[in-house]
Amino acid sequence: SQQGEEDPQALSIQEGENATMNCSYKTSINNLQWYRQNSGRGLVHLILIRSNEREKHSGRLRVTLDTSKKSSSLLITASRAADTASYFCATDSRKFYFGSGTKLNVKP
Amino acid sequence: NAGVTQTPKFQVLKTGQSMTLQCAQDMNHNSMYWYRQDPGMGLRLIYYSASEGTTDKGEVPNGYNVSRLNKREFSLRLESAAPSQTSVYFCASSPHDRGFTINSPLHFGNGTRLTVT
Repeated sequence: SQQGEEDPQALSIQEGENATMNCSYKTSINNLQWYRQNSGRGLVHLILIRSNEREKHSGRLRVTLDTSKKSSSLLITASRAADTASYFCATDSRKFYFGSGTKLNVKP
Repeated sequence: NAGVTQTPKFQVLKTGQSMTLQCAQDMNHNSMYWYRQDPGMGLRLIYYSASEGTTDKGEVPNGYNVSRLNKREFSLRLESAAPSQTSVYFCASSPHDRGFTINSPLHFGNGTRLTVT
């Protein structure tokens, strides 16, 4: 079974709004990563957060990690139409498992 | 700097045919991976290679074989294609070594879209 599972499966918002996606995982981790996938393309790495970190920022992205709840969230602030994509979390293991993703649609 | 290159981009096979999906990376990465992506299923790991000359099974290895030809290239072979293998196949690489913790990002190719009729 896969380690990371995203929630919600789909999210539709207006441009300018914030988008929040959540990820839950099952076993202890050393780090967690978030990826974006545009339609018809490969995944692109967004941000990595280590188990001893609680929050990390990169531009309009904010990631939090709660190891006690085995969960992470990805916040995209002031969303743009270009943020329309699927977003995946992945937890570290030798085999690097991905969740099934959140499909984000940002309407202009 | 091309990153991870996959060939072909599209392929249609008949049931029972064989083919090899090619993957090459020019980043001098140690580890390489093959995933398949099906609608609603996310990515599932087929095989991976932690270093040249080594390969290991992932979640869904049945029906596939792999070869780590050298540090740059990692190929995926379907010996006798089945309709259940219709999917999008992604190759990825990572600089991490044989350590248990993957602490660096994966770099993905743009995928091979395979249809088996």
